[in-house]
Amino acid sequence: EADIYQTPRYLVIGTGKKITLECSQTMGHDKMYWYQQDPGMELHLIHYSYGVNSTEKGDLSSESTVSRIRTEHFPLTLESARPSHTSQYLCASSDQISVYGYTFGSGTRLTVV
Amino acid sequence: QKEVEQNSGPLSVPEGAIASLNCTYSDRGSQSFFWYRQYSGKSPELIMFIYSNGDKEDGRFTAQLNKASQYVSLLIRDSQPSDSATYLCAVKAGGGADGLTFGKGTHLIIQP
Repeated sequence: EADIYQTPRYLVIGTGKKITLECSQTMGHDKMYWYQQDPGMELHLIHYSYGVNSTEKGDLSSESTVSRIRTEHFPLTLESARPSHTSQYLCASSDQISVYGYTFGSGTRLTVV
Repeated sequence: QKEVEQNSGPLSVPEGAIASLNCTYSDRGSQSFFWYRQYSGKSPELIMFIYSNGDKEDGRFTAQLNKASQYVSLLIRDSQPSDSATYLCAVKAGGGADGLTFGKGTHLIIQP
């Protein structure tokens, strides 16, 4: 049973549209992360948050933005989608990283046409 | 820059044999080590973690850690076709640094 939820699971959208990918967790974790992953490729950290009102950019430059107004909610927004944004987006959260690592959501597969 | 290295594979192993996956890391102060399994099109799922030198066993999986040599490995005994997936090694650095550093993953294929 998943404790971290991502919606939608799949999204096909036209170029120029604004989209928000949702991520929510019920575990009370302070730390949350967004990764981007192309098929068969490695994970790239694009955003992370260590708590409410805290957001940072990750290792991979991204045109997306994030917000963290509530502990359980960490949405990712693309103001104007482009075909280059086509990818899988994975949300994760953690508490005691040294012991439990990350818990990942099921991911959102985004296709921009 | 902290690095985690894995052979990308594919690593092909006959069904029933032992699959051995290896990972090296650059940060000598790293504390905790994780193995994730990722099926194609799915999200990573945690299968093992280890933070003490030596072996840790869980069912058919054994994680091995050697901090002096800076490598961690995952052994899968009695490999099954359902074990075919990409295995990601992840490392938690020491010294108060936060977050996990992931390797690129090893693609494992179990041949029936």
